[in-house]
Amino acid sequence: AQSVTQPDIHITVSEGASLELRCNYSYGATPYLFWYVQSPGQGLQLLLKYFSGDTLVQGIKGFEAEFKRSQSSFNLRKPSVHWSDAAEYFCAVGGAGNMLTFGGGTRLMVKP
Amino acid sequence: DVKVTQSSRYLVKRTGEKVFLECVQDMDHENMFWYRQDPGLGLRLIYFSYDVKMKEKGDIPEGYSVSREKKERFSLILESASTNQTSMYLCASSPLGINNEQFFGPGTRLTVL
Repeated sequence: AQSVTQPDIHITVSEGASLELRCNYSYGATPYLFWYVQSPGQGLQLLLKYFSGDTLVQGIKGFEAEFKRSQSSFNLRKPSVHWSDAAEYFCAVGGAGNMLTFGGGTRLMVKP
Repeated sequence: DVKVTQSSRYLVKRTGEKVFLECVQDMDHENMFWYRQDPGLGLRLIYFSYDVKMKEKGDIPEGYSVSREKKERFSLILESASTNQTSMYLCASSPLGINNEQFFGPGTRLTVL
């Protein structure tokens, strides 16, 4: 069965600092990987996705993620965080079929 | 833009009541999903549907049922609401195909007293 672990429940960074959110997955074959963001009171919005090819994926809002097969990881990064990035971030993995398995989420707080 | 709407943002019900949560999408997507979201647990799939009148159980279907009579509408039903069903419920849709992006509604926060 597939699974996703986001080891950090809460992260606080200062505005302008760099950010890395961790995601580890378990899946037997090549996974489909996603990062979603949920702003307060909103649904989830897709930041980026990895299906195949280049292991460094660019997304919206200046985010990127790197797929590392050897580490079963798909960490999300941003070089300079803005106050508007404060939100909850979810990593998800998909395999055969249409269903996704989500991690527990990481809540990001941004200090001024 | 794809739009997924949910009938209520906030809902308060009493134990034992029958509860309907409605979801409508306007992009002619084949797949629709119901998740519940709880702190620290992320999103857990309750049911999904890949076609009208078709449904599949997700990870936590107990205590829930679903209905999909029209392609654009997917309803989640709590036959007899219980306090442990207090949660945020999210609906999503996606086009046919393997692991396409899912588009989410704003969620319904349900409180069962």
